[in-house]
Amino acid sequence: DTAVSQTPKYLVTQMGNDKSIKCEQNLGHDTMYWYKQDSKKFLKIMFSYNNKELIINETVPNRFSPKSPDKAHLNLHINSLELGDSAVYFCASSLMGQGLHFGNGTRLTVT
Amino acid sequence: GIQVEQSPPDLILQEGANSTLRCNFSDSVNNLQWFHQNPWGQLINLFYIPSGTKQNGRLSATTVATERYSLLYISSSQTTDSGVYFCAVENTGTASKLTFGTGTRLQVTL
Repeated sequence: DTAVSQTPKYLVTQMGNDKSIKCEQNLGHDTMYWYKQDSKKFLKIMFSYNNKELIINETVPNRFSPKSPDKAHLNLHINSLELGDSAVYFCASSLMGQGLHFGNGTRLTVT
Repeated sequence: GIQVEQSPPDLILQEGANSTLRCNFSDSVNNLQWFHQNPWGQLINLFYIPSGTKQNGRLSATTVATERYSLLYISSSQTTDSGVYFCAVENTGTASKLTFGTGTRLQVTL
């Protein structure tokens, strides 16, 4: 299947912990993204990478660190998790200037 | 930054009805996309439509970039059309940064 796949689907953790979300795409796209969807369904871009280089960093706390080992993977590591980090995190990919394809999301719950 | 407003915020339709969803944006764009988020949370790309008109089955979209709006038409709605419809735009000069509207929540009933 050609797709954007992210793992895990659900992540429940305690405040202060560190966690990672992984994302992979096999669509041959050159740009990958992380989006955050809050409880009111508002979607906001966090990061964008083009060919492994960071091109967008939307004033996200530096507890969030994206890493792109190659253009098919973009992982998100979060340090010292806070209650306000609870949200659904979506990975996405596209060819520059074309339609965005989303993964199925990771629902993060911080208790 | 660019503002994206969608209307109506909520819509309830009977199966078989037609509807028009609107997206207004505050600045020039070089990229506009429509997405459907189904009740299971999956985000599906419906159209990449920075200008002009496109059709895909019962759905069609029109963007009039010079007047800063886009319309999504759903004809003969089905219960599987339920969910939230998002418009997202990329402001000219901000490559790869899509700004999303707040969405239109559609419920199609039998």
